[in-house]
Amino acid sequence: SQTIHQWPATLVQPVGSPLSLECTVEGTSNPNLYWYRQAAGRGLQLLFYSVGIGQISSEVPQNLSASRPQDRQFILSSKKLLLSDSGFYLCAWSGGRGSLGNTEAFFGQGTRLTVV
Amino acid sequence: RKEVEQDPGPFNVPEGATVAFNCTYSNSASQSFFWYRQDCRKEPKLLMSVYSSGNEDGRFTAQLNRASQYISLLIRDSKLSDSATYLCVVNPYGLYNNNDMRFGAGTRLTVKP
Repeated sequence: SQTIHQWPATLVQPVGSPLSLECTVEGTSNPNLYWYRQAAGRGLQLLFYSVGIGQISSEVPQNLSASRPQDRQFILSSKKLLLSDSGFYLCAWSGGRGSLGNTEAFFGQGTRLTVV
Repeated sequence: RKEVEQDPGPFNVPEGATVAFNCTYSNSASQSFFWYRQDCRKEPKLLMSVYSSGNEDGRFTAQLNRASQYISLLIRDSKLSDSATYLCVVNPYGLYNNNDMRFGAGTRLTVKP
């Protein structure tokens, strides 16, 4: 069966510090991978998605970046965090190109980031 | 116009009530639709997919109206455990280009004794 791991679960970082959140998927190949952010009391905002190694699409210009060094690894980074980067970050995967039928997205347990 | 729009609520209903949520989407070519449930401070989880003919899973019924570009979720005989935020999800690029999933902001439901 497929599983998705995301860590850390919580993180408190000072303004201006770097960020690295990691997400890995097991039990599937060529998944689509996503990073979402959810601000307190708000909906999910798509930040990045990837359909393959090295292929990253950015939805929202910001000081965050994403990388996919391996097929089932997705990393969210920042060189200098802002206060506004605080939120609940969720990694997700879904079936990639060629998947049949309605393809749901599966989420990691999320990282609650507080920038202080 | 947002790609996926939902009434944020909150909906406060008594146990046993029937409650319905609607969600509208802007891309008429969208092919895949889902309802997700998100408990407080947790990740979203799939509640049910939405099929063209409509589908039912126990107390939950989902409907799709392509002409009006909306999907709906009906919950009958509400339970306390149904309290959560319900997210409408649309894949705007169809079955074989599912490189994106667009989420609504969610509708918050509170079921009270």
